[in-house]
Amino acid sequence: GENVEQHPSTLSVQEGDSAVIKCTYSDSASNYFPWYKQELGKRPQLIIDIRSNVGEKKDQRIAVTLNKTAKHFSLHITETQPEDSAVYFCAACADFNKFYFGSGTKLNVKP
Amino acid sequence: SAVISQKPSRDICQRGTSLTIQCQVDSQVTMMFWYRQQPGQSLTLIATANQGSEATYESGFVIDKFPISRPNLTFSTLTVSNMSPEDSSIYLCSFTGTGAHEQYFGPGTRLTVT
Repeated sequence: GENVEQHPSTLSVQEGDSAVIKCTYSDSASNYFPWYKQELGKRPQLIIDIRSNVGEKKDQRIAVTLNKTAKHFSLHITETQPEDSAVYFCAACADFNKFYFGSGTKLNVKP
Repeated sequence: SAVISQKPSRDICQRGTSLTIQCQVDSQVTMMFWYRQQPGQSLTLIATANQGSEATYESGFVIDKFPISRPNLTFSTLTVSNMSPEDSSIYLCSFTGTGAHEQYFGPGTRLTVT
């Protein structure tokens, strides 16, 4: 089955700096890569996603890049704010099937 | 997007008992899933709830321990049977829409087994 690895496990940045979280996957059949943000005590929320026919996608301060050849994808958050502090999970999915989640990255944005 | 709810939001149960968690979506959806999330951990898929047929369980999870029902396209239940303290966790249901990849999660059920 699919194996998704996520790094780093924790990330601390100063407010206004950028944050990058990286994931790798093993199954070349995976074609959908979402990112979830989970605040303490709350459900995971979908924040951005990318499909395998696209190399990059942006939504305001967040962007995701995908390198299919290398089987890795990354989340980029620019101009970080304290409210970006949360745990972020990447995931990989093949053909509307089940999702495989990374281990999570705890992002701390220091004011 | 559709609204998804879970009941109960939390419960404290005694060892050896069972708890049934309900998941309701306000519109028909194709796929429904059940996950477990232990404190500080990632999401672990328990099973895919199939409408009108038996759920598909992931490795390490069995029907006798986690029976699942899905009587229609908007509702599913997960039962945690013969509970032990190791079952203390947050249980989340989720869904994906027809022909769509996006997966949305319910608010979760925080289970504590004493």
